[in-house]
Amino acid sequence: ETGVTQTPRHLVMGMTNKKSLKCEQHLGHNAMYWYKQSAKKPLELMFVYNFKEQTENNSVPSRFSPECPNSSHLFLHLHTLQPEDSALYLCASSQALSLNTEAFFGQGTRLTVV
Amino acid sequence: AQTVTQSQPEMSVQEAETVTLSCTYDTSESDYYLFWYKQPPSRQMILVIRQEAYKQQNATENRFSVNFQKAAKSFSLKISDSQLGDAAMYFCAYRSAGTTGTASKLTFGTGTRLQVTL
Repeated sequence: ETGVTQTPRHLVMGMTNKKSLKCEQHLGHNAMYWYKQSAKKPLELMFVYNFKEQTENNSVPSRFSPECPNSSHLFLHLHTLQPEDSALYLCASSQALSLNTEAFFGQGTRLTVV
Repeated sequence: AQTVTQSQPEMSVQEAETVTLSCTYDTSESDYYLFWYKQPPSRQMILVIRQEAYKQQNATENRFSVNFQKAAKSFSLKISDSQLGDAAMYFCAYRSAGTTGTASKLTFGTGTRLQVTL
């Protein structure tokens, strides 16, 4: 059982579709993150939320729209994606109130844009 | 900006043997954390071991240990008595020390795929 749950596990969408990825953490953390993992590239940090406030947008195109309604939930809304957006999207959470902290990850959503 | 480099795309080790995965990083900061994460086929990133830069002693977690060379900016992972279940992608990651209340952003390397053979 993972403390960070992502749904769906797999998603295939057309370039004109609108879909959302969901992340939920049960660890009492107050910071949440979206990372993009593409083949043969380092994980790329996309967005950071700290106490529900977005604190970082790492130059992510506007076709990716995050939402953090509370400290336990994080969404990534997708619209008019491109085939190069196909990747594994990983959600993570951590406890921002502690210096000695680690990030816990979900199992990711494998996104394929056709 | 910090960078993390893993120069070994793939490594192979026989069961029960020892293997060392390399990681170097670049930073101008003096206080930071280093991590090794494991990503098995299930895709979930699992923390293997953590090292605080201010600690001189190398971290150890059961069969996993690190060789942290701060001056050389090197952070290698040694896996002893390798098991079939150790087969996975291994990622080295860097995090600034930050301050209490701030989020923790990780900078990752490109990963090393470890195969464990019988």
